[in-house]
Amino acid sequence: GAGVSQSPRYKVAKRGQDVALRCDPISGHVSLFWYQQALGQGPEFLTYFQNEAQLDKSGLPSDRFFAERPEGSVSTLKIQRTQQEDSAVYLCASSLATTPNSGNTIYFGEGSWLTVV
Amino acid sequence: TQLLEQSPQFLSIQEGENLTVYCNSSSVFSSLQWYRQEPGEGPVLLVTVVTGGEVKKLKRLTFQFGDARKDSSLHITAAQPGDTGLYLCAGSSNTGKLIFGQGTTLQVKP
Repeated sequence: GAGVSQSPRYKVAKRGQDVALRCDPISGHVSLFWYQQALGQGPEFLTYFQNEAQLDKSGLPSDRFFAERPEGSVSTLKIQRTQQEDSAVYLCASSLATTPNSGNTIYFGEGSWLTVV
Repeated sequence: TQLLEQSPQFLSIQEGENLTVYCNSSSVFSSLQWYRQEPGEGPVLLVTVVTGGEVKKLKRLTFQFGDARKDSSLHITAAQPGDTGLYLCAGSSNTGKLIFGQGTTLQVKP
């Protein structure tokens, strides 16, 4: 597609429910990032894939968070047993190469808004 | 741990005024980027600065990268209501991971 596509755009989950958030990166993009953003704050890094390899998952806040990109294209961020503090916007981004210098822009999706009640 | 401090966090000004947003760090970054984000949207890249001392202009926006590549500033001349949004600076680590500042929420009143 033309841009990074995320679904669902909005999700309301009951506390304790599992959720899965999907990201379709720009076709051919090697790098894929997941970020978590609280309202009015800067995004915080969760995890990074280069093709299907998860090279950095240091930002995942707990073992309830799991991400995968099995075929090096679509990625899924799964949150198990959701808690209220998980409420945030989850942003996916992709880039053609591994380092965002002036020739390799990172493109963000519109985000998946998760509210845990 | 690499951190980026942005200031101010909130800015409310009248149309036509000038403003500067600062982004500071104790760490050196290979490049630094500025994004603008509108409600309900993802961040959109405005500019990437790579070389220490670099200055880039985008219409009424001027971006500077510090000589030591640890800090940056965004200056907007004659702000317009359409400039309203969340401005984010982000530093690029060697692994390609972007580290964001807390953001500056700008409101330009007509």
